[in-house]
Amino acid sequence: QKEVEQNSGPLSVPEGAIASLNCTYSDRVSQSFFWYRQYSGKSPELIMSIYSNGDKEDGRFTAQLNKASQYVSLLIRDSQPSDSATYLCAVGSNDYKLSFGAGTTVTVRA
Amino acid sequence: DTAVSQTPKYLVTQMGNDKSIKCEQNLGHDTMYWYKQDSKKFLKIMFSYNNKELIINETVPNRFSPKSPDKAHLNLHINSLELGDSAVYFCASSQDRGPRYGYTFGSGTRLTVV
Repeated sequence: QKEVEQNSGPLSVPEGAIASLNCTYSDRVSQSFFWYRQYSGKSPELIMSIYSNGDKEDGRFTAQLNKASQYVSLLIRDSQPSDSATYLCAVGSNDYKLSFGAGTTVTVRA
Repeated sequence: DTAVSQTPKYLVTQMGNDKSIKCEQNLGHDTMYWYKQDSKKFLKIMFSYNNKELIINETVPNRFSPKSPDKAHLNLHINSLELGDSAVYFCASSQDRGPRYGYTFGSGTRLTVV
């Protein structure tokens, strides 16, 4: 059973629209949650971290966490072609590991 | 200044060979990691060292051996390479022992075994 699952995608959105990415995790004691962006052929880059229930906004990105539902999401507002990438959900637990989902590929159509 | 640097960036080698990948971080982080990313982009942890102590050792073939001479360096040696070892290997580091603040990744080493 996978520890972190993401909506499979790929997700195609028009420029200026909202891209919505979802992630669920299985370990109830998880305490730290991250979204990484990975451009093709590049390394993952941390774009958001969230630790408590609710919303966290950073520019055009909003992360949402619901620990009761074991669910974390990422919204990208006013999507730009430069947002086209694979987005990786990562969940940290008490065993020192950061577990990653398989990623959702987003394509923003100009 | 590159925060987490890996060498080489590309590695093409024949089955049965032995190869090493080196990683260095200048962030002052205490913990370093090796991750493997397969062709489907899935990132899977392999090993982790905290101040030269091995703290994560996932189920990987014992042909893979990590070595950390100091907390700024973590190397990965692979013996008797197989076709299935072809992947991108990422080194990463974090501020403390756990994933509390996320990881900083190196640029990756694309290993191709032919």
